[in-house]
Amino acid sequence: EVQLVESGGGLVQPGGSLRLSCAASGLSFSNHWMSWVRQAPGKGLEWVARIHGLGSAKYYVDSVKGRFTISRDNAKNSLYLQMDSLRVEDTAVYYCMTDYQGYWGQGALVTVSS
Amino acid sequence: QAVVTQEPSLTVSPGGTVTLTCGSSTGAVTSGLWPYWFQQRPGQAPRTLLYDTSNKNSWTPARFSGSLLGGKAALTLSGAQPEDEADYYCLLTYSSGRVFGGGTKLTVL
Repeated sequence: EVQLVESGGGLVQPGGSLRLSCAASGLSFSNHWMSWVRQAPGKGLEWVARIHGLGSAKYYVDSVKGRFTISRDNAKNSLYLQMDSLRVEDTAVYYCMTDYQGYWGQGALVTVSS
Repeated sequence: QAVVTQEPSLTVSPGGTVTLTCGSSTGAVTSGLWPYWFQQRPGQAPRTLLYDTSNKNSWTPARFSGSLLGGKAALTLSGAQPEDEADYYCLLTYSSGRVFGGGTKLTVL
């Protein structure tokens, strides 16, 4: 059974940084693209970033380019999202998701507020 | 980046059939955009119903099916149940990244 568990969410001030982690199990992690998706309160889903199984390709939504960095450690079956220069509008539940059949984690809440 | 469009809201009668669609600002949706469909009930994480246009996960009820229809991706629900009332999102994959549609709020009434 595929399981994804996010961690690292919390409250941060505007301009601050936060690092999200996603621990994966039940799949050949290095074989699969992975994505981060977010959902602001009361809003729809927004794709944030995507990374190739070997980390050789990365893509971002325009609104986070230059501020967020997606990475992975295949030895630890883990996916990361380093979020810098956070803005109030980055407040959302952040989900990790496999590009393989679309498995989702339970989400991690990130609140950017002073 | 591309814009993906969905009907904002639809209503279906219990036992009825409804089709949700997913269009792309770049042109016709093809299998090469690897359409995904997700269901999200209030207060819950999304779950994937269909991937790569029409493939089902083990938990996807048989009453859901996917196709390409008139240049769009389509999700058809045949025999709607009260528990199908939810938000539905499609996702398309482009060379520059992925884009979700704005979602369709489906009411079973």
